[in-house]
Amino acid sequence: EAQVTQNPRYLITVTGKKLTVTCSQNMNHEYMSWYRQDPGLGLRQIYYSMNVEVTDKGDVPEGYKVSRKEKRNFPLILESPSPNQTSLYFCASRFRGQAGELFFGEGSRLTVL
Amino acid sequence: KNEVEQSPQNLTAQEGEFITINCSYSVGISALHWLQQHPGGGIVSLFMLSSGKKKHGRLIATINIQEKHSSLHITASHPRDSAVYICAVLAPGTSYDKVIFGPGTSLSVIP
Repeated sequence: EAQVTQNPRYLITVTGKKLTVTCSQNMNHEYMSWYRQDPGLGLRQIYYSMNVEVTDKGDVPEGYKVSRKEKRNFPLILESPSPNQTSLYFCASRFRGQAGELFFGEGSRLTVL
Repeated sequence: KNEVEQSPQNLTAQEGEFITINCSYSVGISALHWLQQHPGGGIVSLFMLSSGKKKHGRLIATINIQEKHSSLHITASHPRDSAVYICAVLAPGTSYDKVIFGPGTSLSVIP
């Protein structure tokens, strides 16, 4: 089954404690992206990757890091989480071309105290 | 002005009603997606359009490239259709096609 898998789905942590949200896809997609969704602000792009070892900033990259060492994985790293990073996070993937349908993970709800 | 706008922002309908959600965009696009997000749930892709019309069950999506407008129709609405519907466009860029999301339309279907 084609899917994008995120973990953890729910996490409560404290300010400054490093955490990683994993994202994995099994569709051999070149393009992967991280978004955060906040009430009244919709979906905003954090980082994206066009292929292995190719990553770039989205609209709200501050406080986040990513890596793309393998095609299937695109982890989101919060080195020193702060309360303003409390949000619902989605990973998505698609083929690079115009015909690429978007596939989303189920979301990771992060609370930073 | 947002590059992708949706109307209405919120919509309440009685079960069985015909529903239309509109999406207007101001950028050139290569494709448009309609997405569905149930309360507390993930996001699923309903349609991807670059021209014309697509139908899947009770859902119909249309796009008019010249007018930069798309509509999502739901026939014979049901309470399980209650969700947020998000329009997203794929805008060609110099290095990649960026996805730009609309603000979403929150639909509630009452039995």
